[in-house]
Amino acid sequence: GEDVEQSLFLSVREGDSSVINCTYTDSSSTYLYWYKQEPGAGLQLLTYIFSNMDMKQDQRLTVLLNKKDKHLSLRIADTQTGDSAIYFCAEKGHSSASKIIFGSGTRLSIRP
Amino acid sequence: DTGVSQDPRHKITKRGQNVTFRCDPISEHNRLYWYRQTLGQGPEFLTYFQNEAQLEKSRLLSDRFSAERPKGSFSTLEIQRTEQGDSAMYLCASTPAGTSETQYFGPGTRLLVL
Repeated sequence: GEDVEQSLFLSVREGDSSVINCTYTDSSSTYLYWYKQEPGAGLQLLTYIFSNMDMKQDQRLTVLLNKKDKHLSLRIADTQTGDSAIYFCAEKGHSSASKIIFGSGTRLSIRP
Repeated sequence: DTGVSQDPRHKITKRGQNVTFRCDPISEHNRLYWYRQTLGQGPEFLTYFQNEAQLEKSRLLSDRFSAERPKGSFSTLEIQRTEQGDSAMYLCASTPAGTSETQYFGPGTRLLVL
């Protein structure tokens, strides 16, 4: 079945880069996403990558996709306190045109 | 601001009561989704509408849950005879017509069943 896994916690120093990793099982995934959720808030789409790409950069965010290993990562350059949140990796499988499968989220905390 | 609105934002109810949540998608988005998010977990898909047709339902959606989208615009999610295990955040998302890959999420309704 479809599954998305990511580590639960990451702590980085302010100004450093954060790298959040994710693995997924559905080899027919068409889109892979990174969502951000701040306390008490809904989900904010940060970025997404189509499965035929291996990299996408958007300002401080860099997404890397290794389709062979089914590994997705999100790099946040120059991490700021405002980046503190839970980051969800998600994939849209080819078997369903509708639903998105989410990981359990990685809580990113920033040290001064 | 994604433009998807949900009402209420918070609901506290006693076990056994019925509750109904409303989602207003972004205008002209023809696809609407409901997800449930429990503490410490990512959202889990519940059901999906294209216009007024409910096209997919998760096995998570027990017979106590019913969702409607009668005119293809707003949607309601009703939970009958609530149980403590129903306590969660209920998220709604919408997508425009066509092959859009992006689902826009609302702020969610947080349900607490006592």
